[in-house]
Amino acid sequence: GAVVSQHPSRVICKSGTSVKIECRSLDFQATTMFWYRQFPKQSLMLMATSNEGSKATYEQGVEKDKFLINHASLTLSTLTVTSAHPEDSSFYICSASRPGGYEQYFGPGTRLTVT
Amino acid sequence: QQQVKQSPQSLIVQKGGISIINCAYENTAFDYFPWYQQFPGKGPALLIAIRPDVSEKKEGRFTISFNKSAKQFSLHIMDSQPGDSATYFCAALIETSGSRLTFGEGTQLTVNP
Repeated sequence: GAVVSQHPSRVICKSGTSVKIECRSLDFQATTMFWYRQFPKQSLMLMATSNEGSKATYEQGVEKDKFLINHASLTLSTLTVTSAHPEDSSFYICSASRPGGYEQYFGPGTRLTVT
Repeated sequence: QQQVKQSPQSLIVQKGGISIINCAYENTAFDYFPWYQQFPGKGPALLIAIRPDVSEKKEGRFTISFNKSAKQFSLHIMDSQPGDSATYFCAALIETSGSRLTFGEGTQLTVNP
C-alpha cells in the first residue's frame, strides 16, 4: 500500500484563530510532502512542497507566514493556517512521495470552514 | 509552458457508453502522465498512468491513449457505470523535478443509469 491520512477531516474555526492540519504517511517514509488547496469545482492548486528536515518551498502567491508548514519527521507534515479568515475556507489536501520516487499518494483531504 | 489543458469541463454519458476525456500539454520535458479520479469530499486517487514511450495503456475498463507528436493524451472509460461518476484530472510531471505535478482543470463525469 501507500496510505496517507489527514486529520481532522473537517474543522470549523472562528475568524482570527489558527488551525492545524496533520498529514501522515502510514506505511511508508515520505521524504517529500505536498500541500494543495482546492476550491469547489476547481483543480488542485499546489501551495507548497516540504522536505523532511528542511524549510518548505512555497508557490508564488502563497503567504508563508499565514500557511506554516512543518515536516518534522519522515511520516508527518503539518499545515497551520494562522489568523484564519473566511476566504481561507477551502478543501486542503496533502500528498506524499517515497524517497527517490515521483508517484504522489494523496490524503483524503480536510474541509476547513472559517466562520 | 507548464500548463496542461483538459477538456471537456463536464461530460454526461449513458450507462454502458464510452467516456472520453482529453488533455494537451506544451512542455516536452514532461515524462510521466497520470490520471486521477476524485469523488466529492475525497482526495484524488491514481487511476492509471503512462509514459511517452508508450502509445496506449489499458487497465480494465480504463485506457490511456498517448500521442507524443501532438502532445496530447486521453482517457477512455469503456462500459461507463454510474459508479464512475466523479471528477477526473489529468496531470503531468518531470520525473527528475521532485515529482511536482501539473494538473489539468478537471472533468466532471456523470454516468446516467
